[in-house]
Order: sequence, then C-alpha cells, then structure tokens
Amino acid sequence: QQQVKQSPQSLIVQKGGISIINCAYENTAFDYFPWYQQFPGKGPALLIAIRPDVSEKKEGRFTISFNKSAKQFSLHIMDSQPGDSATYFCAALRGFKTIFGAGTRLFVKA
Amino acid sequence: NAGVTQTPKFQVLKTGQSMTLQCAQDMNHEYMSWYRQDPGMGLRLIHYSVGAGITDQGEVPNGYNVSRSTTEDFPLRLLSAAPSQTSVYFCASSTATGDEQFFGPGTRLTVL
Repeated sequence: QQQVKQSPQSLIVQKGGISIINCAYENTAFDYFPWYQQFPGKGPALLIAIRPDVSEKKEGRFTISFNKSAKQFSLHIMDSQPGDSATYFCAALRGFKTIFGAGTRLFVKA
Repeated sequence: NAGVTQTPKFQVLKTGQSMTLQCAQDMNHEYMSWYRQDPGMGLRLIHYSVGAGITDQGEVPNGYNVSRSTTEDFPLRLLSAAPSQTSVYFCASSTATGDEQFFGPGTRLTVL
C-alpha cells in the first residue's frame, strides 16, 4: 500500500527549463510535506517543505504547490540547472513517521 | 559538528550472519530513525526513537532490532541476515518536532 505516490520516475529537462514533480497522498492526517534532494552516494537533504494550511511556498528557484482538497502537491524547479540533477523525494509526515514517495530522478541537460 | 555519522560504509554478509550498523549524531537531537532505500521504492522507515530508552516500529521492522541507550547513538541490528535485506541503509536525526531530518551518508549492505 503506497501512501505517497510520486511521478514521474524520471525526468529530463533542458537547462533553463521548468522541472515539475508531482505527488499524491491518501491519509488526511499528514500534516507536513517535505521534499528531499539526494545526490549519488549521499544521504537525502531537506530542500523545501510545506504545511497543509498554505497553498504555495517559494524558496529561490524552488516552489511547492499544495492542493489540500485533491490531496496533491508538487515541486517546481524554475530555471533548472545541471547542478539540480539529482533524485528528488516527496514525503508526508504524521507524528514522527515520515512516508516517502518512490523518488524522481531528474537530469538537466546543459 | 560531524552531524550524523554511520559505520561501516560498505558491508557484505552471508545469509544467517548477524551484524550491527552504527549511527551517531552530535546535534543533541531527540528523534532518530533508520530507513532502507531500495530502487523504485524510496525510503522506508524501519524503526525510530523519540528519545533515549524509547523506540517504535516503522513500516518494515521485521528482521531488525534497535535500542537507544544514549541520545547520541542509535544502532540497528540485523539478527539473521537474508538476501532480501540487501539495501542501502540510512540513519537520520531531527529535533523534537521531527520535521527536518538530517541524514547520514548511508551504509551499503549486501547479503549473499
């Protein structure tokens, strides 16, 4: 039972383009929705996060859009750069349990 | 600040062997957790702890044991390794809110 569904599995974007990764969740008890970025051989690192009382959060080139009624949230990376090439995980938190999506491998072509 | 450290980085076991993956953090975080990462499945929570002496099961706890005798350390024990436990294991810690988790560099485990 996959509580957090993430798509696409992989994504190729041209430098300067917009990368969009989508996630959907089932449990309405989740109250914190982070995105993590992972480079090869490293542990994940928090990129940006949002709470369900906010519809959008922007930090630099990274934006989370949150649709509570649809139980969906997405990560937008504006002006994508080759250095953004990594695996991105959405997640949902309830209490101390974090449920991760399956991950999206992003490749930004120079 | 070393953050979250994990040892070893790599390990090969034979089926049935036991071993302990070590995790330590120097940020005085109350919350610590163990995840396994498998291709196409993201990170799955194995066990977690909200403080010294307190542990609880995550999504995939079978075959693993944990204990938390100090705030700094949270070892993960494989009791009798199986090929299905071949994975990359990550330890993480966070403040009492559990929001931002800081991950270690991971341990790549292969069970033959």
